[in-house]
Formats: sequence, structure tokens, C-alpha cells
Amino acid sequence: DGGITQSPKYLFRKEGQNVTLSCEQNLNHDAMYWYRQDPGQGLRLIYYSQIVNDFQKGDIAEGYSVSREKKESFPLTVTSAQKNPTAFYLCASSVGTGIMYEQYFGPGTRLTVT
Amino acid sequence: GESVGLHLPTLSVQEGDNSIINCAYSNSASDYFIWYKQESGKGPQFIIDIRSNMDKRQGQRVTVLLNKTVKHLSLQIAATQPGDSAVYFCADLNQAGTALIFGKGTTLSVSS
Repeated sequence: DGGITQSPKYLFRKEGQNVTLSCEQNLNHDAMYWYRQDPGQGLRLIYYSQIVNDFQKGDIAEGYSVSREKKESFPLTVTSAQKNPTAFYLCASSVGTGIMYEQYFGPGTRLTVT
Repeated sequence: GESVGLHLPTLSVQEGDNSIINCAYSNSASDYFIWYKQESGKGPQFIIDIRSNMDKRQGQRVTVLLNKTVKHLSLQIAATQPGDSAVYFCADLNQAGTALIFGKGTTLSVSS
């Protein structure tokens, strides 16, 4: 099956620890994205990548880091510098960026930091 | 700045009714809008999109209307079903055209 996978579905960490969220796609998409969703809120863009070895900050990049070493993978690290890391994290991909390129979303990872 | 938003956070309808979910946007230069549906605990799913050179676009049981004069778009769902219960988001492209900006969402509850 083609699609986007995120693992794990639930993740628990202690405050002060870095944690890496996985996102893999087998859709052969060039562009990949990370969004954060808080309860009752819309999605906010953290980082996006239009092509391998390139990525751009979104609206709320502080406290996060990403890498794009392979086309199919776009891992997100939530660092200890992120003040409020508990949230639902969504990864997406698209053929390209811009109009007419639908974004496909993964199932999300719910991160809880205590 | 860029922002999209929805007028009402919740909407409750009876099965079989038509639903109308509204969205206002601030960037008059926006030329592409998308509606997504998100079921509980899942990622958003694409419903329908519309470009700014159109006023209306229809899909299966859904219609999107765009009013550029007042910077408003709406999603109409005909004969709403319990399976339509979800959070609905409107989104448009950022100014660079590289990523989506989402509104806060409207939770649609359908009772049978």
C-alpha cells in the first residue's frame, strides 16, 4: 500500500529529553511537511522540505529540527528547547509545492512530555 | 498577515440535513483554497479545492463557494450523514506558495 507512516502513534517523554518522530512515505513525493496541532486548534507548520537535502522553517520552527537525507524520510526532532512540546504531530507529503499539489497526511504521533 | 479562520467552532445537524461550514480569509492575494476533513485521532483528508478564478466547485455531496469580494468561502455538505462527523478545516497557500495555512477548524456533529 502506498502512503505515509508515522511512528509511534503515542510517545511519552520526560521533560528535558530530545525525541525524534519518524515520518516515511512511499509515494515518491518530493515535498514533505511537519505540522503541529494543539487541542481545538488548526495545524501550524513547523518545517517543510521541497527536495532532498533542503528544508525551510515554517511558522513555529523554534525548538525543532529536521533532516532530509532521503526522499522518503523526514524525521522531526523535538528538542528540550521547545517550551510546550506536548501536541499532536502530523507529517504530510505532496508531489511538489504550490497549487494543484494535494498534501497527503499521515496518521499522526501524539507526543506527551511530563 | 496571512490567516484563515472559521466563523463557528462547532456545528450540530440532524442526519439528512444540509450542512454549511464557513471560513474567512485575510490575504486578498490568496488564489487557492482547500477543505480538509479530520476524524478523531487521524490525519486530515482532502475533500475539495477551489482556485480563485472560480466561484463554485462541486464534488460528491460537497460544494465549495468562494466569495472573493468579502474573502469568504464555505463548504456545503448535502444530506449530511453520521460518517460526516469530523473537524473541517479550510486552508490556503502561504505567500510563497510552498505550504498550507490552516484555519482553526469547525467540529461537525451529526445526530441520527
